[in-house]
Amino acid sequence: QKEVEQDPGPLSVPEGAIVSLNCTYSNSAFQYFMWYRQYSRKGPELLMYTYSSGNKEDGRFTAQVDKSSKYISLFIRDSQPSDSATYLCAMREIQGAQKLVFGQGTRLTINP
Amino acid sequence: KAGVTQTPRYLIKTRGQQVTLSCSPISGHRSVSWYQQTPGQGLQFLFEYFSETQRNKGNFPGRFSGRQFSNSRSEMNVSTLELGDSALYLCASSSLTDTDTQYFGPGTRLTVL
Repeated sequence: QKEVEQDPGPLSVPEGAIVSLNCTYSNSAFQYFMWYRQYSRKGPELLMYTYSSGNKEDGRFTAQVDKSSKYISLFIRDSQPSDSATYLCAMREIQGAQKLVFGQGTRLTINP
Repeated sequence: KAGVTQTPRYLIKTRGQQVTLSCSPISGHRSVSWYQQTPGQGLQFLFEYFSETQRNKGNFPGRFSGRQFSNSRSEMNVSTLELGDSALYLCASSSLTDTDTQYFGPGTRLTVL
């Protein structure tokens, strides 16, 4: 069993929809959680970063962490065709700042 | 400020050969990490270098190695290539003041025939 599980999709939704992306994890030592976006033929770029349970909002994006359930989510409001990409969750322990463990990635398509 | 650059962008090798990939971090960044991305396993951490020292290592065989130079540029080497080494190899750099933000390069696409 992988430490981080993420539904690979693909996920296809109409423009303007609310998108929900999720990851579960098994390692209770994970304390820092990130969401990356990766466009085709590009490297991942950091979207959201959080280290506490609860919600963190940044524009149309909201990251949610529930450490008790070992579950994290990313919500995208008012989705745009430009949001079409692969979304990867990532997490790490307190020590080992650069050793990220990634989910498989969810391929998202927003249809105009 | 220029982003992370990786060379070459594409590479084709045959089994048994060795390969060296290069990464130039963002100016001022001293930490460089390497990841392997495959459809089956996703993104997996290879190793991290900081000030020319390996600071973290993932679960990869000894055929995978790396180094970092005094100017923070980094190389990774894979010896005795296997078909399963075909992947996108990504390099990421981060600064001392923001260690949790890793900036990724575009990657090197390695195909092993």
